[in-house]
Amino acid sequence: NAGVTQTPKFRVLKTGQSMTLLCAQDMNHEYMYWYRQDPGMGLRLIHYSVGEGTTAKGEVPDGYNVSRLKKQNFLLGLESAAPSQTSVYFCASSYDLKGGAGGNQPQHFGDGTRLSIL
Amino acid sequence: DQQVKQNSPSLSVQEGRISILNCDYTNSMFDYFLWYKKYPAEGPTFLISISSIKDKNEDGRFTVFLNKSAKHLSLHIVPSQPGDSAVYFCAASARSGGSNYKLTFGKGTLLTVNP
Repeated sequence: NAGVTQTPKFRVLKTGQSMTLLCAQDMNHEYMYWYRQDPGMGLRLIHYSVGEGTTAKGEVPDGYNVSRLKKQNFLLGLESAAPSQTSVYFCASSYDLKGGAGGNQPQHFGDGTRLSIL
Repeated sequence: DQQVKQNSPSLSVQEGRISILNCDYTNSMFDYFLWYKKYPAEGPTFLISISSIKDKNEDGRFTVFLNKSAKHLSLHIVPSQPGDSAVYFCAASARSGGSNYKLTFGKGTLLTVNP
């Protein structure tokens, strides 16, 4: 039972390079999310999707783009990486957007992608 | 403006004793509160939640208490076990327009349970 799988697990980039982080879920969830976690900070929402073909901005969307071409995949792109984007990125999915409200439909997280930008 | 605050970055308790993790919030529109647990090099995993219309929810060794008037919730772990050592995130859910909900996380508290 894979759940949410993130690829790659680690990556080092140079400033200005581009890359795409891949998130795949096998739970047939409608909703998917990208978060970043920085030292001493909670998880901050970058972008999210409420279904195939849809995307929406979260709390910290600048410098990132996303795509949800297939229901099971949610891609996070960095067009021109900056050192401020050094972080651990988490993808999550959920059955509904309440993300755990009532304890019945929590967000399921991947194990993260550690991204360093030099 | 930090709407969900976990003011204790870390907590250390002895095995078998009670662990109490605290969380304060400022947004009165939050309608659900959740606790997530995170081990190193893993993603957060859902632990327990509580609706704003309740004041207590219990699941095995884990109990969450909500004090709406104080805008405060706490997670009690009894008895604490070494395997409970992890970072615990408090999160709160509120509508963010239409039928959409937004989940806001605190900064987390590192719990260490000593054998």
